[in-house]
Amino acid sequence: NAGVTQTPKFRILKIGQSMTLQCTQDMNHNYMYWYRQDPGMGLKLIYYSVGAGITDKGEVPNGYNVSRSTTEDFPLRLELAAPSQTSVYFCASRPLSLRLTEAFFGQGTRLTVV
Amino acid sequence: GENVEQHPSTLSVQEGDSAVIKCTYSDSASNYFPWYKQELGKRPQLIIDIRSNVGEKKDQRIAVTLNKTAKHFSLHITETQPEDSAVYFCAASYSNFGNEKLTFGTGTRLTIIP
Repeated sequence: NAGVTQTPKFRILKIGQSMTLQCTQDMNHNYMYWYRQDPGMGLKLIYYSVGAGITDKGEVPNGYNVSRSTTEDFPLRLELAAPSQTSVYFCASRPLSLRLTEAFFGQGTRLTVV
Repeated sequence: GENVEQHPSTLSVQEGDSAVIKCTYSDSASNYFPWYKQELGKRPQLIIDIRSNVGEKKDQRIAVTLNKTAKHFSLHITETQPEDSAVYFCAASYSNFGNEKLTFGTGTRLTIIP
C-alpha cells in the first residue's frame, strides 16, 4: 500500500525560482494538508483541502499556492522561492468521517533555498 | 482559530522511568486529540489518540488523559525504553465539516538515558 507519496524527497532551489511539491494519496481520503516543519520546530499548517475543488489557508500560507483538481492529488506551489521557505514539507491526508481519525503523513520533502 | 501549546520542549529521563508531556488547547469545540511520534528523519506517526467523550485511554506503556474543563491533555509513557527517544507532537482537531483543521503543538524532544 502506497499511502501518501511525496516527490521529490530533496530539492535545492535558488532564490526566485519556482517549483511544485507533489503529493498523492491512494486511500480515497477527502482531507489533505500541507505542513512545514522548520528545524527543531513543530508542524505549521500551510494549506488544507476538504475535497476536490475546495482549498483553504492555514497558519502560514504566504508564498504558497495549492490546487485540488482530484481527490488523489494536492500539489503545493512555490512561485518565488525565498530563504525563509527552507524547511521540511509534509503532506498528510485523512478520511471524511463523523468519527475523527488519524492523519497519514508522507515521508516529507526537504527543501533548501539558497 | 485553535492554538495548541506543548511543554516541555525537551525532556530527558532515565531508562525505566516515566515521561509526561502536557498540552493545552484554546478552542473548546476541539474534540479529537492525537499524539504523534517522529523519529529522526522520519514522518510523524500516530501513537495514540483520545476523543472528548473519554477522560483516559491506555495502550500498553502509553496513556493519554484529557481534562476538557481545563482544556489540558497529557501523554504518559511508563517504563521508558531507548526506542522511545523521539520528538512527540500533540494535536487538536474538531469536526466541523468543511473546516476540519488539525493543529499541532510545537513538539517535545524526549531523550531516554540508558
